[in-house]
Amino acid sequence: DTGVSQNPRHKITKRGQNVTFRCDPISEHNRLYWYRQTLGQGPEFLTYFQNEAQLEKSRLLSDRFSAERPKGSFSTLEIQRTEQGDSAMYLCASSSPSGTGNEQYFGPGTRLTVT
Amino acid sequence: QKEVEQNSGPLSVPEGAIASLNCTYSDRGSQSFFWYRQYSGKSPELIMSIYSNGDKEDGRFTAQLNKASQYVSLLIRDSQPSDSATYLCASQGAQKLVFGQGTRLTINP
Repeated sequence: DTGVSQNPRHKITKRGQNVTFRCDPISEHNRLYWYRQTLGQGPEFLTYFQNEAQLEKSRLLSDRFSAERPKGSFSTLEIQRTEQGDSAMYLCASSSPSGTGNEQYFGPGTRLTVT
Repeated sequence: QKEVEQNSGPLSVPEGAIASLNCTYSDRGSQSFFWYRQYSGKSPELIMSIYSNGDKEDGRFTAQLNKASQYVSLLIRDSQPSDSATYLCASQGAQKLVFGQGTRLTINP
């Protein structure tokens, strides 16, 4: 069973440009999550999908951010008009409900640098 | 007040000793708790999950949960240099994970 994969692994962009990241969850995991992590902090929740439905969005997800999971498999996270404050590691996780737990497994992340 | 609080460390432990990492949470509705290990420049790796009061052991790791005190801990026995990493505590109420800022652990040979 392959793990969560994310592409690209690194992205350097100029302020004002748009960027898109992709996440492929563990196969048959129906839940997919996006988090953002800055240096010295724990990951912060951005949004969550169950199958293709986006069920929760953080207030951190401004109108410049949009996420999709069109067929309930892979997901994309787009940031429009990037700002230097968007520089962070963007992490994707997936899970499959089982019993009392909902263990989330993270991908390698996409490190975004906005210059 | 942060929802999940950890001592940011750094915590330094000699090789072979027991490392003790602590975490408190504020949301009494949280049902599930997780410990992740994160090496520098890498993504978080799930090492322990705990859902009910008491202890849960897995190899050299023991997680402890006390819901009355809103307290979670992780013990690492026989610490190895490869255990040097940042350890993230996370709570889960509905779906999202809420993380602490992490405790940086260094195991000294």
